[in-house]
Amino acid sequence: DAKTTQPNSMESNEEEPVHLPCNHSTISGTDYIHWYRQLPSQGPEYVIHGLTSNVNNRMASLAIAEDRKSSTLILHRATLRDAAVYYCILRYSGAGSYQLTFGKGTKLSVIP
Amino acid sequence: EPEVTQTPSHQVTQMGQEVILRCVPISNHLYFYWYRQILGQKVEFLVSFYNNEISEKSEIFDDQFSVERPDGSNFTLKIRSTKLEDSAMYFCASTPNPGDSLDGYTFGSGTRLTVV
Repeated sequence: DAKTTQPNSMESNEEEPVHLPCNHSTISGTDYIHWYRQLPSQGPEYVIHGLTSNVNNRMASLAIAEDRKSSTLILHRATLRDAAVYYCILRYSGAGSYQLTFGKGTKLSVIP
Repeated sequence: EPEVTQTPSHQVTQMGQEVILRCVPISNHLYFYWYRQILGQKVEFLVSFYNNEISEKSEIFDDQFSVERPDGSNFTLKIRSTKLEDSAMYFCASTPNPGDSLDGYTFGSGTRLTVV
């Protein structure tokens, strides 16, 4: 499986934008970039995913580098509820079980 | 918004006993998964299930584990003879058709299994 590298932790002030980086230099052309988050004592929660183009949804934006070797999850206005561990995951889109492989993620702290 | 429902939320069992963890995936989803997370560690893949059979399993998913979808709605994980090291949060997940790459995966809120 292609690997991702994320900072262990980040801090943000409430109501400010947050940019969570992810490096995936060995990404293949068939890998989708998925982001999930896990709030304390809860299951992982889908945030966003994309292949090549930048993506927006109601939760966040995903900016993907032109060479696809890195991506950034953007939370436009951090709230206390956004404090969680954020996982960047490459999901192979060829034949298979399409399982997700979680790393350690980035623990985001939001300061009031 | 549709949810993946897991029961029970917490299960305490004695070592050597059998446990069954239950999940109700979202109704139009086709792929189902079990993951576990030992306290303070990463979320680990256990098994994937499609078209009423296992499509992939990890090294963790040994002979003491089994899965089934007995009635077309429930998706269960059975641990035959629990060990202390099976204590963990177990998460069920489902997705409509990952081959379409249009959708993310929906996870349940988990079952905390404590083996004593």
